[in-house]
Amino acid sequence: QKEVEQDPGPLSVPEGAIVSLNCTYSNSAFQYFMWYRQYSRKGPELLMYTYSSGNKEDGRFTAQVDKSSKYISLFIRDSQPSDSATYLCAMTGGSNYKLTFGKGTLLTVNP
Amino acid sequence: DVKVTQSSRYLVKRTGEKVFLECVQDMDHENMFWYRQDPGLGLRLIYFSYDVKMKEKGDIPEGYSVSREKKERFSLILESASTNQTSMYLCASSLVGGQAFFGQGTRLTVV
Repeated sequence: QKEVEQDPGPLSVPEGAIVSLNCTYSNSAFQYFMWYRQYSRKGPELLMYTYSSGNKEDGRFTAQVDKSSKYISLFIRDSQPSDSATYLCAMTGGSNYKLTFGKGTLLTVNP
Repeated sequence: DVKVTQSSRYLVKRTGEKVFLECVQDMDHENMFWYRQDPGLGLRLIYFSYDVKMKEKGDIPEGYSVSREKKERFSLILESASTNQTSMYLCASSLVGGQAFFGQGTRLTVV
C-alpha cells in the first residue's frame, strides 16, 4: 500500500463549481498536512497548512483532516479558471521533517 | 515574503558533463531538500539536509551528490549527467513541522 494515495484526475469542472480534492494515507504518525498548488512549469506553492484533525478555511479554500479515517480534503468554492493547476497533498510526522507527497490531481476550470 | 531561489530556470547539458544546480533560501530554515518531478511519478526526494554540512539520502540518490556549506545554500551535483536525468528539479526549504517552500524549478535537459 502506498503511503499517500491521490487520484490523478484529470478533473474538469465549470466555472463557479465546488471542487473537492482528496488524499488518503496509511501512516498514522502523520500530523501535519499541506496542500500545494502547482501551475504548469512552475514550482509548487503552499496553499493550506493544517495540524492534526479539523478544518481550516482561507478565502475560497477549506482544508479538512480526518485522522481517524486517514483522509484529507481540499474544497474550492466558486472555482475560477485561474484555479486550473495541479494540486498536491503532502504530509509529515512530528519530528520527521520529510514530506510525503501525493502524485497530484490535475484540475481544469472551464469558463 | 518567503523566498527560495534556484539559479537557473532552464539548462541544457551534454551527457557526461558535471552539472551544478544551486538553491538559496532567505528564511533561515534548517531543512533543505532537492526533488525531481517527472510525469506520472510525482515528486521524488533526492537528498535533504537538516543542518549545515549535514545531508541524508532520499529515495533516489544514485548519480547525485549535494553540498551545504552555508545554511542558506544547498547545491545539487550531477556527477556525470545522463539522459535519464532529464527532469524538473525542485529545491525546497522548511522548518520542522513541514511547511516547505519551493523554488521555481530548474528544467534540465541532458542531450
